[in-house]
Amino acid sequence: EAEVAQSPRYKITEKSQAVAFWCDPISGHATLYWYRQILGQGPELLVQFQDESVVDDSQLPKDRFSAERLKGVDSTLKIQPAELGDSAMYLCASRQAWTAGELFFGEGSRLTVL
Amino acid sequence: QQQVKQSPQSLIVQKGGISIINCAYENTAFDYFPWYQQFPGKGPALLIAIRPDVSEKKEGRFTISFNKSAKQFSLHIMDSQPGDSATYFCAATITSGTYKYIFGTGTRLKVLA
Repeated sequence: EAEVAQSPRYKITEKSQAVAFWCDPISGHATLYWYRQILGQGPELLVQFQDESVVDDSQLPKDRFSAERLKGVDSTLKIQPAELGDSAMYLCASRQAWTAGELFFGEGSRLTVL
Repeated sequence: QQQVKQSPQSLIVQKGGISIINCAYENTAFDYFPWYQQFPGKGPALLIAIRPDVSEKKEGRFTISFNKSAKQFSLHIMDSQPGDSATYFCAATITSGTYKYIFGTGTRLKVLA
């Protein structure tokens, strides 16, 4: 069964360090999303790609977060420098364009900033 | 306008009982309302979804009731089982736009054996 792959599953880092998360969406899915989920809350959109283009990054803290999807397939989300408040689950999701809106999530990358 | 308000925050139900989770929205442009189920340490998975042209959709023990005039929708889990213990999120999106999903804050359901 096709799935969204994410790595690493867990990351512990100290504040001010750089961290990066990788996502490989389901093959053929043109739309890719990065969400942040703080414990006990719902997912919050950070950035949305359509192929290699950013569709929405209005909630991405651009002073420290960056995201890219250079070839329109896999994607990287980077945080530099990490802050204590960045501790959260980072979820990647993908959707096949032009169909009814089922969103497929990966298992997430759990970040702990010390 | 972009919020989806979800209640209750947590819910405890006896095995065999009915679990009911409610969501409300403001933006009338939303036209697709999915529910996601999330187990600890896992990503959310689509459970059931509805469009506003129908008032109810049923899949097995899971039913969505939709009230367009009240801008509310709810998830009913019939004959709740301990395996249903998870966090449930409602969401909303506009399918003619960028498909930006807005999620509720989640309901942690515990079904007692």
